[in-house]
Amino acid sequence: QQPVQSPQAVILREGEDAVINCSSSKALYSVHWYRQKHGEAPVFLMILLKGGEQKGHEKISASFNEKKQQSSLYLTASQLSYSGTYFCGTEGFGNEKLTFGTGTRLTIIP
Amino acid sequence: KAGVTQTPRYLIKTRGQQVTLSCSPISGHRSVSWYQQTPGQGLQFLFEYFSETQRNKGNFPGRFSGRQFSNSRSEMNVSTLELGDSALYLCASSLEDRGGGYTFGSGTRLTVV
Repeated sequence: QQPVQSPQAVILREGEDAVINCSSSKALYSVHWYRQKHGEAPVFLMILLKGGEQKGHEKISASFNEKKQQSSLYLTASQLSYSGTYFCGTEGFGNEKLTFGTGTRLTIIP
Repeated sequence: KAGVTQTPRYLIKTRGQQVTLSCSPISGHRSVSWYQQTPGQGLQFLFEYFSETQRNKGNFPGRFSGRQFSNSRSEMNVSTLELGDSALYLCASSLEDRGGGYTFGSGTRLTVV
């Protein structure tokens, strides 16, 4: 099943903070976060693994609540370059594929 | 190091034709996945290959097929093209079997007329 992201879109002024949420109805092995700018490929930001391990971007933080199958991406002191669509992707256990949410469009204005 | 390379970047095909898209993963990456991206449906999973074996297949009709070669390069084929197949097709590779980040290629923009 496709994870659910919220909000669908958000507009921020430069310097403000944002939180993007991702939830799944199934038990998760990992949660991925990607950012896609218009006309470009998605770029890997971070992966959070069951058990607490995190790998990814130094300036971006995220949390993974294994019991609730939820993850949140925290963007602090947003910069213009943070604009884009953010996707979460979830991996279940077993031989499961990475499934992406519908995305959150983030617009940063000066 | 070189990223994920997809060719061609753009394609225009006529309904009923078939098309083959190519993906060269990052050197050393054995996992290759394909996604279809459209404005309405987002990123939809097509296939996943690992060491030449298809491990997963998405909910797409049999007109969509793929394969992976011994050098990890992958191809996907769409036969009997329909207008609804117009989309951005993205390939992604990963170093690890699971639990690793994906590196995406720039995609192939397919337009079916």
